[in-house]
Amino acid sequence: DIQMTQSPSTLSASVGDRVTITCRASQSISTWLAWYQQKPGKAPKILIYTASSLESGVPSRFSGSGSGTEFTLTISSLQPDDFATYYCQQYNSYPYTFGQGTKVEIK
Amino acid sequence: QVQLVESGGGVVQPGRSLRLSCSASGFTFSSYGMHWVRQAPGKGLECVAAISYDGNNKYYTDSVKGRFTISRDNSKSTLYLQMNSLRADDTAVYYCAKRSPGGSYYYFDYWGQGTLVTVSS
Repeated sequence: DIQMTQSPSTLSASVGDRVTITCRASQSISTWLAWYQQKPGKAPKILIYTASSLESGVPSRFSGSGSGTEFTLTISSLQPDDFATYYCQQYNSYPYTFGQGTKVEIK
Repeated sequence: QVQLVESGGGVVQPGRSLRLSCSASGFTFSSYGMHWVRQAPGKGLECVAAISYDGNNKYYTDSVKGRFTISRDNSKSTLYLQMNSLRADDTAVYYCAKRSPGGSYYYFDYWGQGTLVTVSS
């Protein structure tokens, strides 16, 4: 199975901050990587797919980059609605696997 | 708009069975593969099972092989997960998720609201 490792596990930031979350795959997954946002008690929501494509309706302050084994999710200017947990997921091969999550907290 | 509505969760004793359903609307259900993804309390996300658009191809994570069965009824636009021999570590919120459109690589573009399964004596 492909292991996905996110860092950091928790991130404290303020409104307006630029935030970057890293995701590493245990083997190359090309650009078959998605990023999801999850708020407490809610289902995950797709933000980014194929590493850097923004899902329709997602604010442009979210961006993704990377290929192979190293990927990043960047929020250019953190907004109050962005405090949540973020997960990366590889869909290069079964079983599809997720990172352990990064919780973005209010500083 | 796409809607996925899970049902069937609840409290069940270890060793017993439960069947989850996911009713789909707002898209051509019979054209898309579907997945069940679970999340244990306070934990991350785990893909449990997947099924192709026509039901001919199925995938299971190792921990549920031989105990869980994924199926679908395209005439009813409904996805199922039959869970047998339930264990305490199956306790989780179970989400159904729709595959994205496209070729051979799929992410999850829509998720249901989830249904909680609690396995406890």
